[in-house]
Parts: sequence; structure tokens; C-alpha cells
Amino acid sequence: QVQLQQSGPRLVKPSQTLVLTCVISGDSVSSNIATWNWIRQSPSRGLEWLGRTYYRSKWFDDYALSVRGRITINPDTAKNQFSLHLNSVTPDDTAVYYCSRNSAFDIWGQGTMVTVSS
Amino acid sequence: DIVMTQSPDSLAVSLGERATINCKSSHSIFYNSNNENCLAWYQQKPGQPPRLLIYWASSREPGVPDRFSGSGSGTDFTLTISSLQAEDVAVYYCQQYFILPFTFGQGTKLEIK
Repeated sequence: QVQLQQSGPRLVKPSQTLVLTCVISGDSVSSNIATWNWIRQSPSRGLEWLGRTYYRSKWFDDYALSVRGRITINPDTAKNQFSLHLNSVTPDDTAVYYCSRNSAFDIWGQGTMVTVSS
Repeated sequence: DIVMTQSPDSLAVSLGERATINCKSSHSIFYNSNNENCLAWYQQKPGQPPRLLIYWASSREPGVPDRFSGSGSGTDFTLTISSLQAEDVAVYYCQQYFILPFTFGQGTKLEIK
């Protein structure tokens, strides 16, 4: 079955870049029918969709306005994974971060609690 | 952005009784191309990611018990648990995938009375 395995640091300093990786098993990041998303959850913001990447003969990405300009989601076909890069983080970016598949999010990673603090 | 508003914020129901959670979108999420509503329901238990229960407003995800059902169209939707079981205690969320950014409701906490 399809699984998503997340990895990355749990503590990031303010102004630095948060980098999380999501490894896909049982599906392909280059699938022509799937999309690959990052979502976060915090008490103040609830569940918040951050962005996605997907392949339809070429690569596309979409990002939420709240993080646009600070976010990049990159596919890695060689490792069958995708990553989240969120730069210039502040304490407001403290949240549980999830990777997920498709628009009705049918498969989720286990979640990574990321704290932004000096 | 489409705003998703759930009601109630919390709900206590006796075991074996019906639980009903409502979700209202600020804009119609009916997709004319396939005559479906772009609405999903999730269940989240502490320390776990959300679990997809329902998509296209009324289609049950494989493995989800048939006591869970979804209904509604346009802007008003309902998740019904026909006979509450102890393992159904969780927070439930609705989500629209009609237009970016995808947005979630604030959640409804379901407890046992």
C-alpha cells in the first residue's frame, strides 16, 4: 500500500530555513494522476494547506498566499520523494507539518512537530 | 479563499446514538464537470494525522465503516455517524478541494455522553 515517510529537524531557529522531506513508497512522485502536498496544523491556524507539486508531462507547483515567496516544494524523482523548503521562519511557523497525497488527502505522512525557537 | 464553517464546535452523543456534524462553505463547491461536490471529511485522533473518511461529499473511502455517511450539495454538507462507537471519539474536519487554496473547517470535537 502507499506510504509516506517524513524526515527533518524538529527545531529550527528564527530566520533560518525549514526543510522537510517526504519519501513515497507504493506510488511515484512522477505519477500523472497524483498530486503531492504539504499541510500544517497549529492551534492558532488549524489545518492549513501550504502547497503542492505534481507532474503532468511537466512539473507544476501551487502555493498558499500565506507562505508564497517563502516556500518551495521540490520533487526528487531519483529518490521518489518531495521536499518542503520554508525560509525566513518565525515562531508563527511552529506547527505539525504533514505531507499528503491528492486533493482529497487520502494518504498522510506521520507528521513532524517543528518548533521555531532560538 | 473559501471559508469552511463547521457546527457545532463540540458534540457529546451516547453510545449507539446518531451523531451529526454540519459544514457550510462560503461558496458553492459543486463541480459541474463531474456533477460532484468537492468536499471531504476527515477523522483525527490525538497524535495521529487526519484520516480520510468521505470524498466527493458522499463517497466512503475503502475500509471506512458504513456507519459513516456524508450528504449535502452546493454549500451545505453533513457527516452522520449512525450508531456511535467508542472508537469514534475524535475531532472531525471538513475540507473543500474545489479551488485553491484548499481549506478546512475548524473541527468538531466528538465525545461520548
